Amino acid sequence: EVQLVESGGGLVQPGGSLRLSCAASGFSFRIYSMNWIRQAPGKGLEWISYMTSDTRTIHYAASVKGRFTISRDNAKNSLYLQMNSLRAEDTAIYYCARSVNYAFDYWGQGTLVTVSS
Amino acid sequence: DIQMTQSPSSLSASVGDRVTITCRASQSITSSLSWYQHKPGKAPNLLIYAASTLQGGVPSRFSGSGSGTDFTLTISSLQPEDFATYYCQQNYSPPLTFGGGTKVEIK
Repeated sequence: EVQLVESGGGLVQPGGSLRLSCAASGFSFRIYSMNWIRQAPGKGLEWISYMTSDTRTIHYAASVKGRFTISRDNAKNSLYLQMNSLRAEDTAIYYCARSVNYAFDYWGQGTLVTVSS
Repeated sequence: DIQMTQSPSSLSASVGDRVTITCRASQSITSSLSWYQHKPGKAPNLLIYAASTLQGGVPSRFSGSGSGTDFTLTISSLQPEDFATYYCQQNYSPPLTFGGGTKVEIK
């Protein structure tokens, strides 16, 4: 069974940093592209970052480019999102998701990030 | 960036109703469109990809159609477990973008 479990969310002050993790199991993590997607309170889904299996191709949404960094460790079956210079508008549930041809076929349950003083 | 516009933003329907949600892309995305179902507190669920291909395990009452810029998700006979928010997403090219969502509520 495919499982994606996010962790690392919490309360952080504006301007602060946080690192999210996504632990994958039940599939060959090393051959799949992975993504981070978020949902702010009362809002819709927003894709924020993508990385290919070999880490050679990375994409970011304009809203996070230069502040967030996606990475992965295929030996540990894990995906990461380093979030710096956090803003109130980054408050959201953050999901990791596997993708095939840029469609998200499996998602985790999400981890909540709250940016507030 | 490719903008995705969904309509309606919400609808009320009864069990057994036929429900149609539309999604329009700001430029042609060929058939590179996916539909998701999202319930509160749950992970979103892929229903349809490549505009009309049903993801494994998804009931056949869900169907998708369209190509180019105009797409449709149809639920042929709404069931109690279908009350949720539905999103379209273009997977043609990054930045990957979602429609604003359609909340399907009980009438």
